[in-house]
Amino acid sequence: AQKVTQAQTEISVVEKEDVTLDCVYETRDTTYYLFWYKQPPSGELVFLIRRNSFDEQNEISGRYSWNFQKSTSSFNFTITASQVVDSAVYFCALSEAQYFGNEKLTFGTGTRLTIIP
Amino acid sequence: NAGVTQTPKFQVLKTGQSMTLQCAQDMNHEYMSWYRQDPGMGLRLIHYSVGAGITDQGEVPNGYNVSRSTTEDFPLRLLSAAPSQTSVYFCASSYGQGKTRRQYFGPGTRLTVT
Repeated sequence: AQKVTQAQTEISVVEKEDVTLDCVYETRDTTYYLFWYKQPPSGELVFLIRRNSFDEQNEISGRYSWNFQKSTSSFNFTITASQVVDSAVYFCALSEAQYFGNEKLTFGTGTRLTIIP
Repeated sequence: NAGVTQTPKFQVLKTGQSMTLQCAQDMNHEYMSWYRQDPGMGLRLIHYSVGAGITDQGEVPNGYNVSRSTTEDFPLRLLSAAPSQTSVYFCASSYGQGKTRRQYFGPGTRLTVT
């Protein structure tokens, strides 16, 4: 069975600080897909990134970056120079390859990030 | 495109009542699914569908029924609501190729069962 662990329940940082959200996953598949979603206070789920297990390159998008390490089964998310608008709950999720197309996602419990002005 | 729409946005039910949560998408996506979100538990898959006429159970299917008669619609039925079904419900659809494939989520339905 697959599992996603987000050990950080809540994080608070002062604006402009960098912050890293941790995600550790478990799966028996060799091919799988990892995701990050943002849930702002308004409640909708905002897609941030999808990463395939066979693509280990890290990715940067503006102030956001993701560090994927298969050796430690981690897919961590870093926000650089945080802003108040980054305050949200962030979810990491996993989909195994056998479900490709079905996209049955297993979510972590989320990390609530608060940026203090 | 309207994307994934859900109705109602809010609903209060009494224990034992039945209701249907509506979900529709106008993107011609094959795959649709229902998740529930509870505090401290993330989102959990209830039911999913890989196409019209085909549905299957997810992680927490008990107390819920689904059907998929068209590509566009995927309603979730609560036959006899229980307080344990108080939650926020999200519908999602997906399509796409390779790196672009991802779930599109609706805005959610907040359900309270008293």
